[in-house]
Amino acid sequence: QVQLVESGGDVVQPGVSLRLSCAASGFTFSSYSIHWVRQAPGKGLEWVAVASSDGNTKFYADSVKGRFTISRDNSKNTLYLQMNSLRSEDTAVYYCTRELQFGYFDYWGQGTLVTVSS
Amino acid sequence: QSALTQPASVSGSPGQSITISCTGTSSDVGGYNHVFWYQQHPGKAPQLMIYEVSNRPSGVSNRFSGSKSGNTASLTISGLQAEDEADYYCSSYRTGSSWVFGGGTKLTVL
Repeated sequence: QVQLVESGGDVVQPGVSLRLSCAASGFTFSSYSIHWVRQAPGKGLEWVAVASSDGNTKFYADSVKGRFTISRDNSKNTLYLQMNSLRSEDTAVYYCTRELQFGYFDYWGQGTLVTVSS
Repeated sequence: QSALTQPASVSGSPGQSITISCTGTSSDVGGYNHVFWYQQHPGKAPQLMIYEVSNRPSGVSNRFSGSKSGNTASLTISGLQAEDEADYYCSSYRTGSSWVFGGGTKLTVL
């Protein structure tokens, strides 16, 4: 069955870096675009970034552009999110989600919590 | 990037129908049919309920329906059931290769 498992969340201080991973299984990872979506505690969903199936096309939300980098290793069936210069407003549960067709997010991971606090 | 506008909360009694609105602009909701609705129960990941404005994924009850008029999309749930109590989010493609979600609506089944 399709599974997406996020990891790498932690409690960190403002300004530091962190890398999240999303390990995929149960489907042909290299055939799908994968997105990161985050949710601050008690708040709504916020789209963060997407990497195309081959990893060559990437787009970011304005709120993370220039600080976050999405990448993927199709040989390892893993998606990454490198987060630099973290801010308190980046505190959230980060989900990875598979895009079945344009905008159709059919499978989601369980999320990993990132807390940015001094 | 401002979020799409949804009411913070709606409520209804079992068996009734409710509608949740999602207002955007011509750069997102009004400009494309790429509008989606997600249901999220507490502590769980979101689940897709409607895609491309009005289509239901396999396994989603036909009590859920979607529509769009101009810059506003709507999700209607008919025959409300206790299990429908959850948060609902709309999302849309936005010009410039990005995606945007609504602020979310908490549905309470009275």
